[in-house]
Amino acid sequence: DVKVTQSSRYLVKRTGEKVFLECVQDMDHENMFWYRQDPGLGLRLIYFSYDVKMKEKGDIPEGYSVSREKKERFSLILESASTNQTSMYLCASSLAGLGSNQPQHFGDGTRLSIL
Amino acid sequence: ILNVEQSPQSLHVQEGDSTNFTCSFPSSNFYALHWYRWETAKSPEALFVMTLNGDEKKKGRISATLNTKEGYSYLYIKGSQPEDSATYLCAFPGSGYSTLTFGKGTMLLVSP
Repeated sequence: DVKVTQSSRYLVKRTGEKVFLECVQDMDHENMFWYRQDPGLGLRLIYFSYDVKMKEKGDIPEGYSVSREKKERFSLILESASTNQTSMYLCASSLAGLGSNQPQHFGDGTRLSIL
Repeated sequence: ILNVEQSPQSLHVQEGDSTNFTCSFPSSNFYALHWYRWETAKSPEALFVMTLNGDEKKKGRISATLNTKEGYSYLYIKGSQPEDSATYLCAFPGSGYSTLTFGKGTMLLVSP
């Protein structure tokens, strides 16, 4: 089974801090994704990566950056955390596929609170 | 941003009831339609990836159908059990390579 591991289940940080969320997958997947989930808004894509050192903006990239130095690891960075970034963050991975016909495999999520 | 609509937003049924919900998506340039189940305190889990018009997939008591020409998919649960309580998400390929746009989900609660 694919295992996607997020470094923390719960995290509390202060406004203005630089925050790192880490995600590791063990199935040699090419694609990795970061989402946030907010009540009433569903899952929204922040950034994705289809290869090492490659990154693409998703629907809501403002205030975030990402890093993919190794194939198995995809990091989400909040450059200067703000209270509106309090959310549940989910990482996912998938094989490369034509027209997104590969399922995505998700981590357990990190519930991040910015005070 | 693509529009993926799910209905109803939430559903409360009794154990043993059969139920179904809908996902609507753009019918042009169809590639695939995904269904996921997301139980509380767990990670979303892929149920089905559907690619062909008229496709029907089944996993235990859960099945899904697909109509790409009219842009909808139905998810059916036969004889609902409390362990079926979850949010069911559908997703459609987004504008980026291998990305998905998710609907807001249908939250199902099955009471014993």
